[in-house]
Amino acid sequence: NAGVTQTPKFQVLKTGQSMTLQCAQDMNHEYMSWYRQDPGMGLRLIHYSVGAGITDQGEVPNGYNVSRSTTEDFPLRLLSAAPSQTSVYFCASGGTGPWNEQFFGPGTRLTVL
Amino acid sequence: SQQGEEDPQALSIQEGENATMNCSYKTSINNLQWYRQNSGRGLVHLILIRSNEREKHSGRLRVTLDTSKKSSSLLITASRAADTASYFCATDAGNQFYFGTGTSLTVIP
Repeated sequence: NAGVTQTPKFQVLKTGQSMTLQCAQDMNHEYMSWYRQDPGMGLRLIHYSVGAGITDQGEVPNGYNVSRSTTEDFPLRLLSAAPSQTSVYFCASGGTGPWNEQFFGPGTRLTVL
Repeated sequence: SQQGEEDPQALSIQEGENATMNCSYKTSINNLQWYRQNSGRGLVHLILIRSNEREKHSGRLRVTLDTSKKSSSLLITASRAADTASYFCATDAGNQFYFGTGTSLTVIP
């Protein structure tokens, strides 16, 4: 099993550009989630999904969109990148909800100039 | 925000000593989990304790939970240089997952 994979590992964007961060898991987990990690802030939940076709907002959803067309994939879209979105982004999956052990991807380091 | 807080923010100990870190959270929880993050890597699950449990062990890890004080502690016994990492507590409320700010542990060989 590959676990949770994320691409790309690094990305530099200019203000106003859009992009999609990819996340995939091969463990047949229903629950998937996206976090951003900023220095001194811990991880903050952006969006989550409890199954294909179902998504919901987390703590910091503004500026991000998600969709979940399959169980395996949960892409995160930045609509119009801003310097405040410079961060490290982690995708995770775990069972049927956050009450299960969560498995994290290796992260994407994003810089917005 | 329902984010928890870890204490201390940073901890430096000698190899072989015990390390204790604490987590406080704000609202009622169903479960509390602890994760480890090595520098530049993703998080790895360490242990889960349910709200009706008071203590749990896993190898060199001991976790306690006091729901009346909304706090948890993680004890790592006989620490090793390989334990150097950041440690985060996380709580679930409904379908959302909230992380604390983390404790950075350095174990000096």
